[in-house]
Parts: sequence; C-alpha cells; structure tokens
Amino acid sequence: SAVISQKPSRDICQRGTSLTIQCQVDSQVTMMFWYRQQPGQSLTLIATANQGSEATYESGFVIDKFPISRPNLTFSTLTVSNMSPEDSSIYLCSVEDGFQDHEQYFGPGTRLTVT
Amino acid sequence: KQEVTQIPAALSVPEGENLVLNCSFTDSAIYNLQWFRQDPGKGLTSLLLIQSSQREQTSGRLNASLDKSSGRSTLYIAASQPGDSATYLCAAHQGGSEKLVFGKGTKLTVNP
Repeated sequence: SAVISQKPSRDICQRGTSLTIQCQVDSQVTMMFWYRQQPGQSLTLIATANQGSEATYESGFVIDKFPISRPNLTFSTLTVSNMSPEDSSIYLCSVEDGFQDHEQYFGPGTRLTVT
Repeated sequence: KQEVTQIPAALSVPEGENLVLNCSFTDSAIYNLQWFRQDPGKGLTSLLLIQSSQREQTSGRLNASLDKSSGRSTLYIAASQPGDSATYLCAAHQGGSEKLVFGKGTKLTVNP
C-alpha cells in the first residue's frame, strides 16, 4: 500500500490569508484526490488531480478558491485561498492503487483552523 | 446521485462483544466498497475493500459483507477490544469514476 505524508499536520490561520498543503506519496501514482472533512461531517471530494492536466473539481468547489498543482507522479499541493472560518476543516489527500482493485489510501490529514 | 448511510451513528459496547456496523447505498452501480477506520483528528486507515463481484472479505477479527442487490454492506467486528474504539466509515466507489462517496460514519466506543 502507498504511504502518504502531508504538510503541515495542522495550522491556525487568519481570515483572508491562504494556506498551501503538500501531499507526498512514496510511489508513483496516476490518481490523487483532495477531500475536505468539516467538523462532525464525513468526507467530501474537492477535486481529482492528474499529473499533466488540470484538476477536475466537484460541484461546489472552484479553482480560484482551491487551486491545485500536480507537478509529478508523487506530489501534489492544495491551496485554500482567501480563507474564512467556514474553511476550518481537515483536508486529506488520497491516492488510488490501480493494481490493487482501485483501493484508495489516505494521508494523515491537515487540520486547519481559521480565526 | 449516490447516497451512503451508516447506522447507527454511535455505538457503545463492553469489551469482548461481537458487533455489526451497517452501511447502505442508493445506487447499486458501484465498482467496490471500502471500509475505513478514523481515529480522532487523524486520517483514514483502509480496513477492507470488497469488489462488486464479491460477497465478503475478512481480515483478522473483521469481516465485511456486500449485498449489491439490496444496497447494503455490513462490517462485523468479533471480540471487540478498547483499541477498536474509533469512527468507522464506509465508502462506495462509483462505477465509471474514481470517486468515493462516504457515509457519515459510526462512532464506536468499546468499554473495558
């Protein structure tokens, strides 16, 4: 199974600022995903990030608010822009193992608090 | 639109008890179904994955079943231990996409 790390693990940010979250995988993967988990809620997919192409965003999420980079097959970043308290969530990246029945593996998450 | 529901939302049991967590989904056109464990403030750990063509999967004290026709999956935990205390999430992998649709989870507490 893939091993995924995220930086930072947590942060407290002020309203109106931006935070970039990094996701690193220990093997090359085609599909990377970014999810949001708001307090007390389940996970919601923000976007799918493929290397060499623009990210595909889910309904309710836009590139201007959540720009994503995918420069290579082991790394991706998610930026949360112009933050408001409503953006306080855990942000998780995941990867799909195409060889293991498309099983998805998750990073440890980044806990973001916006004040 | 796929919707995944987990019942109960919370469950508290004494140590040693066998228990069942339930997951239902509205669209049977799934590629697979995955069960995860989430500890407080942490990421997700994959427990079991059941392909749409399979009926069940087992790993240690865990057994997951899948009934596509009725849109249900169960996670059976045998001889529960305090270390099993966590939130358990099920997620349906939609056919034709890479998207996972998650339920809200069942928060399990196993009391010593």
